[in-house]
Amino acid sequence: NAGVTQTPKFQVLKTGQSMTLQCAQDMNHNSMYWYRQDPGMGLRLIYYSASEGTTDKGEVPNGYNVSRLNKREFSLRLESAAPSQTSVYFCASILGSTDTQYFGPGTRLTVL
Amino acid sequence: GENVEQHPSTLSVQEGDSAVIKCTYSDSASNYFPWYKQELGKRPQLIIDIRSNVGEKKDQRIAVTLNKTAKHFSLHITETQPEDSAVYFCAASTGSYIPTFGRGTSLIVHP
Repeated sequence: NAGVTQTPKFQVLKTGQSMTLQCAQDMNHNSMYWYRQDPGMGLRLIYYSASEGTTDKGEVPNGYNVSRLNKREFSLRLESAAPSQTSVYFCASILGSTDTQYFGPGTRLTVL
Repeated sequence: GENVEQHPSTLSVQEGDSAVIKCTYSDSASNYFPWYKQELGKRPQLIIDIRSNVGEKKDQRIAVTLNKTAKHFSLHITETQPEDSAVYFCAASTGSYIPTFGRGTSLIVHP
């Protein structure tokens, strides 16, 4: 099992550009999450999908959109990137609501 | 919603010493408390967890204790080694599909 995978690993964008971060899991998990991690701020939830076909906002959703494409895949889209979105983005998944989260390797995004 | 406070934000110890990281939570419905370790440039990974029907759990040099009455739980690392240096996150889950994380503790173990 590959676990949780993310692409790309690194990305540099110019202000105003758009991009999609891809996440996939092969553990048959029901719930998937997108977090951003900034120095001293811990892990902040952007969006989550409790189950296939549903998505909900987290703590910091502004400037982002998500798509739960199927049970395996959950993508995060930045429509018009801003320097404030420079961060490390982690995807995660859970089998049940009170189980261990498994994280992807992260995407380091820089917006110039 | 749930609120998790984690202390200290930075912890510096000498190799061989013990380290203790504490977290408090606000929602009495929380029933699952995992701890994650994140090495520099890597993803967070589970190191130990505890459920609300258990007061203490050990795994070699790592232990977690839970006090439901006081709504706090702690991570204990004994005989620390340089490879224990990392950021540690606590979290609390109520079953709402949104685990709440503490802000993390940077543990530095000096050889």
